[in-house]
Amino acid sequence: DQQVKQNSPSLSVQEGRISILNCDYTNSMFDYFLWYKKYPAEGPTFLISISSIKDKNEDGRFTVFLNKSAKHLSLHIVPSQPGDSAVYFCAASAGSGAGSYQLTFGKGTKLSVIP
Amino acid sequence: NAGVTQTPKFQVLKTGQSMTLQCAQDMNHEYMSWYRQDPGMGLRLIHYSVGAGITDQGEVPNGYNVSRSTTEDFPLRLLSAAPSQTSVYFCASSRQAFPQYFGPGTRLTVL
Repeated sequence: DQQVKQNSPSLSVQEGRISILNCDYTNSMFDYFLWYKKYPAEGPTFLISISSIKDKNEDGRFTVFLNKSAKHLSLHIVPSQPGDSAVYFCAASAGSGAGSYQLTFGKGTKLSVIP
Repeated sequence: NAGVTQTPKFQVLKTGQSMTLQCAQDMNHEYMSWYRQDPGMGLRLIHYSVGAGITDQGEVPNGYNVSRSTTEDFPLRLLSAAPSQTSVYFCASSRQAFPQYFGPGTRLTVL
């Protein structure tokens, strides 16, 4: 049973517009959430994270929103750039916050930003 | 500053063979880990280490062995390769427990 779900395998967005990537989870024990970006033939890159005590975290063009009651988080990229084209993974950990190595990953969403 | 390096980039093994995937980092990070990524799947944790001499199992440890004799190196050993271990393997390191920096990966095929 998938505990972290990224229901959209792919997403296309025009350059300059907003990209919204979604992630749903089922385990109510998850208390720390992360997003990673991955280019082809490279390792993932950590992007941004959020603790369950917050509902929003911003870092430049990237903002993550957390809705605990809906067990849903989203990553907003504004404005989208062609270099943002990559696969984005959502991940979650339970019980130890940022101190946990036991992450559960979603299957990823491939974002294509069209110039 | 090379970051996280992994060797080899590609490897083909026959069932039953053993091999070691190498991982090194030059950032003096305490935390290191190994993940595998199967087609269409997210990453799954194999083993991790919180410092030299300390390792622990992740979600899918069976068939793999690790050791951490230095801060810099964290090799992953496949004891007797099986086709189910065909995957892309990523090593990661970080200052915090969750992985921050990943290596470029080793693509392993077991025939």
